[in-house]
Amino acid sequence: QKEVEQNSGPLSVPEGAIASLNCTYSDRVSQSFFWYRQYSGKSPELIMSIYSNGDKEDGRFTAQLNKASQYVSLLIRDSQPSDSATYLCAVNPNTGNQFYFGTGTSLTVIP
Amino acid sequence: EAQVTQNPRYLITVTGKKLTVTCSQNMNHEYMSWYRQDPGLGLRQIYYSMNVEVTDKGDVPEGYKVSRKEKRNFPLILESPSPNQTSLYFCASSPGGRQPQHFGDGTRLSIL
Repeated sequence: QKEVEQNSGPLSVPEGAIASLNCTYSDRVSQSFFWYRQYSGKSPELIMSIYSNGDKEDGRFTAQLNKASQYVSLLIRDSQPSDSATYLCAVNPNTGNQFYFGTGTSLTVIP
Repeated sequence: EAQVTQNPRYLITVTGKKLTVTCSQNMNHEYMSWYRQDPGLGLRQIYYSMNVEVTDKGDVPEGYKVSRKEKRNFPLILESPSPNQTSLYFCASSPGGRQPQHFGDGTRLSIL
């Protein structure tokens, strides 16, 4: 079983819609969770970090963490064509300082 | 400008010829890490370092070496590269472990 799993997509949403990206992880005691965006040919850039259960909002982005169910999600409201990218979920297990990334979900926002 | 700088950005080389990819950060970060990114496999951690002279293996350390003699630098060494190490490599840094990482622009290695 992979440490972090994401639906690879592709996920397509119309401009202005809500995009919902999901990630599950295997280490029940993981403490730190991150969402990165990666444009084609570029390096990953941080969108959100979340450390406790519940929702965390930053502009059009909302990260949701449910440790009991071992999933973390990212909602993008009012999706824009510029949001078209691959979104990577990363988890830092409680047992060390290693990071595990999912394989990413490709999002396309259709104008 | 805060940045993580990797060199070279692109390299084509042959099997067995030792190579070093340099990584330098100007943010005084304690944590530095190397990843490789392959289609269908995502980002996988090779090695990481919590501070000077402290390094640990990630998920895929075989065939790689690292050193952390200075806080700002974290070179990745391939002593005898093989074709299965052809990949896109990223260096990243963060203020400490378990914190968001800032990535370099990547190094595309092709080993023939």
